[in-house]
Amino acid sequence: AQSVTQLDSQVPVFEEAPVELRCNYSSSVSVYLFWYVQYPNQGLQLLLKYLSGSTLVESINGFEAEFNKSQTSFHLRKPSVHISDTAEYFCAVTSNSGYSTLTFGKGTMLLVSP
Amino acid sequence: IAGITQAPTSQILAAGRRMTLRCTQDMRHNAMYWYRQDLGLGLRLIHYSNTAGTTGKGEVPDGYSVSRANTDDFPLTLASAVPSQTSVYFCASSDFAGGLNEQFFGPGTRLTVL
Repeated sequence: AQSVTQLDSQVPVFEEAPVELRCNYSSSVSVYLFWYVQYPNQGLQLLLKYLSGSTLVESINGFEAEFNKSQTSFHLRKPSVHISDTAEYFCAVTSNSGYSTLTFGKGTMLLVSP
Repeated sequence: IAGITQAPTSQILAAGRRMTLRCTQDMRHNAMYWYRQDLGLGLRLIHYSNTAGTTGKGEVPDGYSVSRANTDDFPLTLASAVPSQTSVYFCASSDFAGGLNEQFFGPGTRLTVL
């Protein structure tokens, strides 16, 4: 079984400031890791994912996350946030065996203010 | 391009009543999922279906049932609703079963059980 811990339920930042949303996971087997984003009153959308290869993965809108196996972390970062990045962000994990399902963290609400 | 549709958008239901939440996808995805989203708890998997004709239990299946008679539809039924089932329900689908495949989410159904 696997689990995900998102340490911050809410992160307030000012526009153009850098941000880091923390995610730690627990699993006894190798994992795949994801960040999903939920804009207000919408369903979730995939932001980025780590399956294998380079431990640094990037999204098309400037977010990046780094898989750190030794620290069991997959923190999400952006060097300069915009008002439009205001949303809830969910870290998720699945094992790389068979038909395993996704396990989501409890989410971090990113609040960007002018 | 519809993707995933869910109906109804919202519903207020008396406790003890039976309710079916509808989910339809037009992407010919093999796998489908039902989640509930509660404040502070993130998304929790209720039931899933790896392919038409098969279903499985997720993390919180009690009080819910599903069926998968064809590829496109995956209804979720509450046989006798209770107030603890007040939540936002999201249906999702993916090309194939297995958490590594991107999941596409519907817009959600907000259900209130009184």
